[in-house]
Amino acid sequence: EPEVTQTPSHQVTQMGQEVILRCVPISNHLYFYWYRQILGQKVEFLVSFYNNEISEKSEIFDDQFSVERPDGSNFTLKIRSTKLEDSAMYFCASRGRGGTDTQYFGPGTRLTVL
Amino acid sequence: AQKVTQAQTEISVVEKEDVTLDCVYETRDTTYYLFWYKQPPSGELVFLIRRNSFDEQNEISGRYSWNFQKSTSSFNFTITASQVVDSAVYFCALSEARTGANNLFFGTGTRLTVIP
Repeated sequence: EPEVTQTPSHQVTQMGQEVILRCVPISNHLYFYWYRQILGQKVEFLVSFYNNEISEKSEIFDDQFSVERPDGSNFTLKIRSTKLEDSAMYFCASRGRGGTDTQYFGPGTRLTVL
Repeated sequence: AQKVTQAQTEISVVEKEDVTLDCVYETRDTTYYLFWYKQPPSGELVFLIRRNSFDEQNEISGRYSWNFQKSTSSFNFTITASQVVDSAVYFCALSEARTGANNLFFGTGTRLTVIP
């Protein structure tokens, strides 16, 4: 069964460093998403991506964040200058074309900013 | 604005008891989708069910059942004869068709502990 994969599973970085989180969505999916979950809290939407551009973003997704689909398979989230409060689990998700299609989530990347 | 409320923060039940997790939502959209996801201790988000706003038929899948009532804006989830493996955080989520990308808005989750 196809699944969303994410690497790395855990990333530790120093405050102010740049990090890139990687995702491989399900191959025939067209919509891609990043969500984050601060420890013990709810899952929050960051950004959605369709047709090689951002379709929506939340207020969390400020200028420090960017997304890219550098090739036909990967979908990345970059945080330019990490802050302590960026420490969270970051989930990638993808879904097919239809509005009724379900979003399937990757296993997450735990980002720890020291 | 859209909102999902899961008033139960934590629930503990003894194995084999039935348990219902509540979810109340708010949306101005006439077409929307409701979801339940399970987050076990390992941390991943596991899709359980999706319901479309135009389909109020309740659904049963094994020990799981879902009760969707538009009149009360609720989408409750019942686990029958709970098992220890059901221990997890359960999230209810909403997406609205008007957003195009159908981003998910999550509730705060209910932590279910099933005691053996």
